[in-house]
Amino acid sequence: NAGVMQNPRHLVRRRGQEARLRCSPMKGHSHVYWYRQLPEEGLKFMVYLQKENIIDESGMPKERFSAEFPKEGPSILRIQQVVRGDSAAYFCASSPSNNEQFFGPGTRLTVL
Amino acid sequence: GENVEQHPSTLSVQEGDSAVIKCTYSDSASNYFPWYKQELGKGPQLIIDIRSNVGEKKDQRIAVTLNKTAKHFSLHITETQPEDSAVYFCAAPQEGGNTPLVFGKGTRLSVIA
Repeated sequence: NAGVMQNPRHLVRRRGQEARLRCSPMKGHSHVYWYRQLPEEGLKFMVYLQKENIIDESGMPKERFSAEFPKEGPSILRIQQVVRGDSAAYFCASSPSNNEQFFGPGTRLTVL
Repeated sequence: GENVEQHPSTLSVQEGDSAVIKCTYSDSASNYFPWYKQELGKGPQLIIDIRSNVGEKKDQRIAVTLNKTAKHFSLHITETQPEDSAVYFCAAPQEGGNTPLVFGKGTRLSVIA
């Protein structure tokens, strides 16, 4: 059973461009969470999704950020008009229905 | 909402010694407490977790204890090895049940050979 997959692993964008981060959950997992990690800090929750539904987006900035988890295909975290402060590692985690969350390897976003 | 505090922020031990990392939480309704290990450049790896119906859980050299009255839980690593060197995070559910996790700020463990 493959683990959580994320791509790309590294992404470089210039200010004002768009960033798209993808996450494929573990087989059989229908819950996906996105977290952001700044250097030397813990993980901060952004958004929680189930198939075709956003369950909790309280940790995601209202402007420029959006997320989806379509019926088919990976979950996407989209950042429009990136700024330098968006530079971070973005992790997704997937879960069955019993609390356990398994993390992917992350996408390291660098905004120039 | 939940608040998780983790101590210490850094910990150095000699190979073979034990390491203990402690966390406190604020929401008495929390019922699930995972620990993650993160190596440089990698995602967090779930190493052990405990639910509120038990006080201790062990898996080889790793153990976790939970004190619900005091609202704290601890990670114990015995017979430490250099490959245990990493950043360790504790976490608790934001609101209980299948919800986002609130993480501690992490403990950087260095095992000196």
